[in-house]
Amino acid sequence: EDQVTQSPEALRLQEGESSSLNCSYTVSGLRGLFWYRQDPGKGPEFLFTLYSAGEEKEKERLKATLTKKESFLHITAPKPEDSATYLCACREPGGYQKVTFGTGTKLQVIP
Amino acid sequence: EPEVTQTPSHQVTQMGQEVILRCVPISNHLYFYWYRQILGQKVEFLVSFYNNEISEKSEIFDDQFSVERPDGSNFTLKIRSTKLEDSAMYFCASSDPGEKLFFGSGTQLSVL
Repeated sequence: EDQVTQSPEALRLQEGESSSLNCSYTVSGLRGLFWYRQDPGKGPEFLFTLYSAGEEKEKERLKATLTKKESFLHITAPKPEDSATYLCACREPGGYQKVTFGTGTKLQVIP
Repeated sequence: EPEVTQTPSHQVTQMGQEVILRCVPISNHLYFYWYRQILGQKVEFLVSFYNNEISEKSEIFDDQFSVERPDGSNFTLKIRSTKLEDSAMYFCASSDPGEKLFFGSGTQLSVL
């Protein structure tokens, strides 16, 4: 009954090799889909919030997109410093404030 | 940029002992949270706190856990009688209503 599913679990890229990470969600009436970056031993660091299908956000080499059932985090020409675990999270409908996280995609970028 | 601070960064305790994890949320935020992450697993919601009371809690947050905002700046998580399976990284977070969560750097709790 996982509400947020991420794939792949791990991804190894050569520096400069673009790719996409996937987040599928089953929450209906989504009140926000979030992408976070987590470095080993650290807390999640906010990247993007998306609220409605068709929305896109960009920051440096990262671009997040949202459809009615999934979100993608596109990484263009990644660098070794982009190596981290990328977490997707959803806020449920209603008055709740908690966000529910997926298991993450561990990205390794090889020089 | 404002940040959430957590202390201590590491806590080692014996099984059955009480621990208190401390957090200073971002000052003008209204919602406070505790999450935990067992090594190699996902970030799991424990509890949210608003207007001096618990607003949501997960199944994990049983009677062994309690939260408190003892003054205008601190937010604490108490585990009354620790178990081996409580060993995890505990993250505090805060947010405005409907907005993104800001996380602290975490407290690594080891129960021996």
